[in-house]
Amino acid sequence: QKEVEQNSGPLSVPEGAIASLNCTYSDRGSQSFFWYRQYSGKSPELIMFIYSNGDKEDGRFTAQLNKASQYVSLLIRDSQPSDSATYLCAVTAAGGSYIPTFGRGTSLIVHP
Amino acid sequence: DAGVTQSPTHLIKTRGQQVTLRCSPKSGHDTVSWYQQALGQGPQFIFQYYEEEERQRGNFPDRFSGHQFPNYSSELNVNALLLGDSALYLCASSLAGGATDTQYFGPGTRLTVL
Repeated sequence: QKEVEQNSGPLSVPEGAIASLNCTYSDRGSQSFFWYRQYSGKSPELIMFIYSNGDKEDGRFTAQLNKASQYVSLLIRDSQPSDSATYLCAVTAAGGSYIPTFGRGTSLIVHP
Repeated sequence: DAGVTQSPTHLIKTRGQQVTLRCSPKSGHDTVSWYQQALGQGPQFIFQYYEEEERQRGNFPDRFSGHQFPNYSSELNVNALLLGDSALYLCASSLAGGATDTQYFGPGTRLTVL
């Protein structure tokens, strides 16, 4: 069974700091990796995706993928209180089904 | 560019009843997936529809069924509701055949079963 693990948190960081969110996955054949942000009571919103080993930057967000170690992380620079939310990691396997398996999410709290 | 829409926003039912939830995909998308998200959990895959056929199904009982219409919109039906069916039901749309099949979520339907 494919598993995606995230620390449920909460992860608490001060405003302006770097928040680091981690995710590990069990299926070595995983192909695509997604980070979603979910505010309380709302639906998940796609932040970014990554397919290749290394870093991918988009504004204040950087996704890091290490397939050998089977982990993907999300860094949020200059964290703002508005970044306070649950961050979901999702992973899809190779083979064309493209059905993502989600972790349970990490709660991030950015305090002023 | 119209995003994914879902209706209704909230729904309250009693045990044993049946419910139908609706979803319209993002403009240009042809694939609809349904998820159930319990409180404090990640979304759990129910099934995916493409070309009006159920393409894949997750580990959900037959009480959960669906349909996709020619305009790509979709319905999720749940029969014989149980208290444990209370959750946020999410619809996600994507474009089949894409290299990533990135899924975009609708606002969700909050179902409460009493």
